Amino acid sequence: EAGVTQSPTHLIKTRGQQATLRCSPISGHTSVYWYQQALGLGLQFLLWYDEGEERNRGNFPPRFSGRQFPNYSSELNVNALELEDSALYLCASSRGTFLHEQYFGPGTRLTVT
Amino acid sequence: AQKVTQAQTEISVVEKEDVTLDCVYETRDTTYYLFWYKQPPSGELVFLIRRNSFDEQNEISGRYSWNFQKSTSSFNFTITASQVVDSAVYFCALSEARKDYGGSQGNLIFGKGTKLSVKP
Repeated sequence: EAGVTQSPTHLIKTRGQQATLRCSPISGHTSVYWYQQALGLGLQFLLWYDEGEERNRGNFPPRFSGRQFPNYSSELNVNALELEDSALYLCASSRGTFLHEQYFGPGTRLTVT
Repeated sequence: AQKVTQAQTEISVVEKEDVTLDCVYETRDTTYYLFWYKQPPSGELVFLIRRNSFDEQNEISGRYSWNFQKSTSSFNFTITASQVVDSAVYFCALSEARKDYGGSQGNLIFGKGTKLSVKP
């Protein structure tokens, strides 16, 4: 069974630009979660999508947004990039909205210069 | 407010030693879920275990064991006979139930992690 995949592996952007990160969940998983792992800040929850709907959102500004497609893959968009957005962005997936463990992808390393 | 505290920032042991990673959590909910994840140098978080708040049985999986104590709000993780491959950052996490049907809120609240170094 293929795991959660994320693309790209690395992304370098300049301040003010937009970044788009992609995630494909494990086959059969309908929920996708996004987390930010910034140096010194630990792992912080960003967004949760299930069946195409945003179910929960962490304490991040609106310039962090995303969506989930009919095939359950997901996209995270970060607009008006700031230097502090530099981080590892991890995507996870799980089966449905009832509690199931989340399985994580390898992450996308976003660097903002 | 929900919170997970992993007081040990870094631990260094010699191979074959036993090591316990501490995790203390705070929540006002009676239904919640606790997790441990491993993050090796490659960066990918690996799921280790999930526990719900109604199940206080300790669990053993090979060299790994977990001790869940609601009375002290702790969910500690012990590695017996540690190996070099156990070197990683270990995260404890908490998820609270949604009020409507008991499923998870979705988000995992992570502790800061404990970096374990196992030396040969």
